[in-house]
Amino acid sequence: AQSVTQPDARVTVSEGASLQLRCKYSSSGTPYLFWYVQYPRQGLQLLLKYYSGDPVVQGVNGFEAEFSKSNSSFHLRKASVHWSDSAVYFCVLSAGAGNTGKLIFGLGTTLQVQP
Amino acid sequence: EAAVTQSPRNKVTVTGGNVTLSCRQTNSHNYMYWYRQDTGHGLRLIHYSYGAGNLQIGDVPDGYKATRTTQEDFFLLLELASPSQTSLYFCASRPQGAETLYFGSGTRLTVL
Repeated sequence: AQSVTQPDARVTVSEGASLQLRCKYSSSGTPYLFWYVQYPRQGLQLLLKYYSGDPVVQGVNGFEAEFSKSNSSFHLRKASVHWSDSAVYFCVLSAGAGNTGKLIFGLGTTLQVQP
Repeated sequence: EAAVTQSPRNKVTVTGGNVTLSCRQTNSHNYMYWYRQDTGHGLRLIHYSYGAGNLQIGDVPDGYKATRTTQEDFFLLLELASPSQTSLYFCASRPQGAETLYFGSGTRLTVL
């Protein structure tokens, strides 16, 4: 069965500190992986995506993620967080073969950036 | 930038009430989706559609109907609302050949 696990429900960091949000996945085939962000009172927005190739993918606002097949992981990183990065972050796995677009969402990690 | 608009933003109804949530996307995307978001469950797929007149069952369809009247419009219907359907509902669209979803801002539904 395909699944996504975000082991940390909540992460608190200080502004300017580095960040890593963890994501583990289980997939029977080639995984398509995404990170989405949800700011307060808004819908989800795509941060970055991984299909194949270079395991480190760059996203918006200085975020990057590293895919590891051996560890079944797709961790999100940022070198220096800003207070505006406070949001809920979802790791997402594409489950559909062909283009059904059915996605499996992790439960999300709430990031709080303290001044 | 893809635009997905949901209405209403907030809705309160009573148990047994009839509710329709609306979603419109203006980018001619083929695929549209209805999700519900609940604490402890993340986002769960209710129904989705490949195009006008097409409907597909998602993972948590019980108690919900959906209708895709046009390429742009996708509606979620709760004909006998129950308190368990109190949730934050998101609509999303996706163009064919791409994996990225574009989300609306959500509708918060409260069933008393």
